[in-house]
Amino acid sequence: EVQLLESGGGLVQPGGSLRLSCAASGFTFSSYAMSWVRQGPGKGLEWVSAISIGGGRTYYADSVKGRFTISRDDSKNTLYLQMISLRADDTAVYYCATTLGGAVAGTGYFDFWGQGSLVTVSS
Amino acid sequence: EIVLTQSPDTLSLSPGERGTLSCRASQGVSSTYLAWYQQKPGQAPRLLTYAASRRATGIPDRFSGSGSGTDFTLTISRLETEDFAVYYCQQYANSPPTFGQGTKVEIK
Repeated sequence: EVQLLESGGGLVQPGGSLRLSCAASGFTFSSYAMSWVRQGPGKGLEWVSAISIGGGRTYYADSVKGRFTISRDDSKNTLYLQMISLRADDTAVYYCATTLGGAVAGTGYFDFWGQGSLVTVSS
Repeated sequence: EIVLTQSPDTLSLSPGERGTLSCRASQGVSSTYLAWYQQKPGQAPRLLTYAASRRATGIPDRFSGSGSGTDFTLTISRLETEDFAVYYCQQYANSPPTFGQGTKVEIK
């Protein structure tokens, strides 16, 4: 059974940092591109970042470029999202998801999703 | 960036009825690159269809996707109680991948 389990969320002050992790099991993690998608409170879905198979290419939404860094450790079957200079509008549930079938690099549809990790940016 | 606009915002239907959800793109999207998701309160989204019309694993055949160009549709042939949820379309033809704002299907 495919499982994605996010962790690392919590309350952080504006300007602070946080690192999210996503532990994968039940599939060959190293064979999949992966993404982070977030959902603000009462809002819709927003793609945040993606990483290629092997981790050599990374992609970011303009809203997080320069502040967030996506990475992966295939030996640990884990995806990461390092977030710095956090702002109130980064408050959201962050989901990791397997990513397939994009027309161009950095895109795709999201086949399996984790349960999400809540990040709250507030003083 | 491709903007996706879903209509209606809310659809009020009774169990057993047919539901038709629309997704319009700001520019043409190859049907190969359009997906639909279902999200229930407190849960992660679930992939329903991709490549406009291909159902994901385990998705009942009452869900069907169609469309091309700028206009896409998700049809739920006969609504069951577990189908009342929010539905999102998503394009993955261009970067960044983008989602519609969602259509809530509620019990009438």
